[in-house]
Amino acid sequence: DADVTQTPRNRITKTGKRIMLECSQTKGHDRMYWYRQDPGLGLQLIYYSFDVKDINKGEISDGYSVSRQAQAKFSLSLESAIPNQTALYFCATKRQLIGSPLHFGNGTRLTVT
Amino acid sequence: AQSVTQLGSHVSVSEGALVLLRCNYSSSVPPYLFWYVQYPNQGLQLLLKYTSAATLVKGINGFEAEFKKSETSFHLTKPSAHMSDAAEYFCAVSENNNDMRFGAGTRLTVKP
Repeated sequence: DADVTQTPRNRITKTGKRIMLECSQTKGHDRMYWYRQDPGLGLQLIYYSFDVKDINKGEISDGYSVSRQAQAKFSLSLESAIPNQTALYFCATKRQLIGSPLHFGNGTRLTVT
Repeated sequence: AQSVTQLGSHVSVSEGALVLLRCNYSSSVPPYLFWYVQYPNQGLQLLLKYTSAATLVKGINGFEAEFKKSETSFHLTKPSAHMSDAAEYFCAVSENNNDMRFGAGTRLTVKP
């Protein structure tokens, strides 16, 4: 069983549509993250959250929003999708302890046409 | 500010040969350093991490990395490559407890 579960695994949508990517975890970690992966660019941080009431912008938050519905759930929304948001999106979790690693889901491949 | 540079977007080795993947970091404070591996259609898995306890860090699948402060490097090595090592490898740095920054990745190909 996956500890960090992302849904859907694949999604194709049209320009201008609103879309939500969901992430849930059973690891009991407080911290949750959304990253975007593009070929040759590695992973870029979109948003991160330390708890339900603590949401922070990352490097590339423009065009995205997030919601931390519960300690175990963190969703990413694209209010009006555009083609350059086509990418692989990863959710990750982390313990509060400094130096702890990130634990990743299997990703959502999003294509915006 | 923290950042990571991985030298070489693609590395190709023969099965049984030494694997060397290069990573240099920039950090204003003593960093925490990580290597992750990504297999096709999967998320990133932790290979190993450096958290100041020892400069030579051993990870899973026979990989190890050495922290060299004077060179600001954290290169990943494996003495003998196996076909199953073919994947993309990411170096990452964290200088606080907030976020983690990743390099662009190195794709490792292993030739029979």
